[in-house]
Amino acid sequence: DTGVSQDPRHKITKRGQNVTFRCDPISEHNRLYWYRQTLGQGPEFLTYFQNEAQLEKSRLLSDRFSAERPKGSFSTLEIQRTEQGDSAMYLCASSLAAGWNTGELFFGEGSRLTVL
Amino acid sequence: AQSVTQLDSHVSVSEGTPVLLRCNYSSSYSPSLFWYVQHPNKGLQLLLKYTSAATLVKGINGFEAEFKKSETSFHLTKPSAHMSDAAEYFCVVSPSRRAYNTDKLIFGTGTRLQVFP
Repeated sequence: DTGVSQDPRHKITKRGQNVTFRCDPISEHNRLYWYRQTLGQGPEFLTYFQNEAQLEKSRLLSDRFSAERPKGSFSTLEIQRTEQGDSAMYLCASSLAAGWNTGELFFGEGSRLTVL
Repeated sequence: AQSVTQLDSHVSVSEGTPVLLRCNYSSSYSPSLFWYVQHPNKGLQLLLKYTSAATLVKGINGFEAEFKKSETSFHLTKPSAHMSDAAEYFCVVSPSRRAYNTDKLIFGTGTRLQVFP
């Protein structure tokens, strides 16, 4: 499978614990995005990278959240001191930013976080 | 600021009947608009996109959408529903003036389509 893969698919944790999600984008894609989706809502933008540079972060991304893409390939999203309000599906997507691109993001199946 | 409003949270149709999923947008300039579909336990998939070319946009699986500036609408249609169309559909706007720029997409709240046999 050469699509976007996310790991783990499901994570249950206790409030106050740290969690980390990993995203492997489509190999030739230079842009990588993180979105968060809560029940009954559409995905909300969190942050994105072009290669290893984090170009924009949403105000939704509090100080407890950190994302990295150290070598411009896979990315991690860490949530420290989790709160019940962090319970959501965390979606990763990738795209190829070029002089002409299709405007299409390719999404992974998501990592569902449940904070007890 | 750009935003989209999906007017129906749920739509139910019978197989073989037309589908209409409604979306209104708000934008201070001509936007880029998309429809994405999310099947259960699957990643979001692009259905179609509008980027200021033809106002009637054709997508995958027989879906179409028409950009109507006067009505600020971008409704999604399909002439004949199939059982496999049952999914969540999201209307999406790009906040960027530049066509094809996907820096930060803004999603609607979604419309769940049910298809009955």
